[in-house]
Amino acid sequence: QVQLVESGGGLVKPGGSLRLSCAASKFVFSNYYMTWIRQAPGKGLEWVSSISFSGAPIYYTDSVRGRFTISRDNANNSLYLQMSSLRAEDTALYYCARDHGGWYDFWGQGTLVTVSS
Amino acid sequence: SSELTQDPAVSVALGQTVRITCQGDSLRNSYASWYRQKPGQAPVLVFFGKNSRPSGIPDRFSGSSSGDTASLTITGAQAGDEAEYYCQSRDISGNYVIFGGGTKLTVL
Repeated sequence: QVQLVESGGGLVKPGGSLRLSCAASKFVFSNYYMTWIRQAPGKGLEWVSSISFSGAPIYYTDSVRGRFTISRDNANNSLYLQMSSLRAEDTALYYCARDHGGWYDFWGQGTLVTVSS
Repeated sequence: SSELTQDPAVSVALGQTVRITCQGDSLRNSYASWYRQKPGQAPVLVFFGKNSRPSGIPDRFSGSSSGDTASLTITGAQAGDEAEYYCQSRDISGNYVIFGGGTKLTVL
């Protein structure tokens, strides 16, 4: 069964940085686009960023463009999200998900990012 | 428009049929995908494309689309179907992914 395990979340002050990781296993990682999706406490799902098989093209939602950087390491089956200039509104549970052609067929359990002073 | 609109809450009697809708201009050109999320759990894909269900999702779950509206229909609703349901598509440009605001399904 496909596995996606996120890590790297935590408490960070406004303006700070954090790097999220997603370890993928039990599928051919390099064959899939990958995506980060977040969910603020008590709120709905919000797409954050997607990356293609080899690392380009890359897509971001407007609210994170210029602050977040998505990347991947196909040799190590890993997806990353480097987050900087963090704001309170970035507080959310961050999921990585496998993109199967426009829909997300497997999700991790998420890693919680809290931005607070 | 780059939005998908869902009713915030829907209820259904046990064993009956319920339809959850999702409206948005982008649905005129692309299919919606549907996810079920139970409290404290990650979302699970339940329907996608024109007429596809992931393995393990019962055929009580079906989808349809007409114009700018997509629907997820659950026949013979069970207590275990109680959850938040989200639709998802791409915006008209195709460069952004959009989610509906979610529909909380209550099984009475």
